Amino acid sequence: KQEVTQIPAALSVPEGENLVLNCSFTDSAIYNLQWFRQDPGKGLTSLLLIQSSQREQTSGRLNASLDKSSGRSTLYIAASQPGDSATYLCAAQKGAGANNLFFGTGTRLTVIP
Amino acid sequence: NAGVTQTPKFQVLKTGQSMTLQCAQDMNHNSMYWYRQDPGMGLRLIYYSASEGTTDKGEVPNGYNVSRLNKREFSLRLESAAPSQTSVYFCASGGDWMDTEAFFGQGTRLTVV
Repeated sequence: KQEVTQIPAALSVPEGENLVLNCSFTDSAIYNLQWFRQDPGKGLTSLLLIQSSQREQTSGRLNASLDKSSGRSTLYIAASQPGDSATYLCAAQKGAGANNLFFGTGTRLTVIP
Repeated sequence: NAGVTQTPKFQVLKTGQSMTLQCAQDMNHNSMYWYRQDPGMGLRLIYYSASEGTTDKGEVPNGYNVSRLNKREFSLRLESAAPSQTSVYFCASGGDWMDTEAFFGQGTRLTVV
């Protein structure tokens, strides 16, 4: 079974700082790796999806990288803002269909003004 | 755009009571899913439906039943609630292919006392 780990569980940074969130997975045979954002009391919002043939994806201040051979993905957030405060989840997908999504426990990010 | 809508948002049940969580999507997706989220654990798949008329068990199906009423609606039923089913429940749809994302509802926070 695919195990997905996110370290650290919580992170606090001052506004403006660049930061990196880490995700590791045990089975490198994945189809894609997704990063989600979850705000308190809300559902998950998809941020970036990296297909297995890709090395990275970018959206605005967010950049996600994927290294399948080492079982790692990172989410880089540039120039952090208080509005970035949320829990960030990564999920490794082993096949077509969200029934094949395996989630990490998330990193709770707090950006201090 | 409504996306994925779950009802209710909050519910308190007594042990042994039954209830149905409702989910509807307006994105014409074939696939729909029910997850639960517990502290310290990643989202875990309860049941999913790859298409109208089909349902399959996920990782943690015990104590639950589902109905894919039509293409739009996928309900989750607890026949005899137990304290171990206290959790946040998320419905999702989409993610049919390796390169497409799943969309999540805002969640139902269920407490069983």
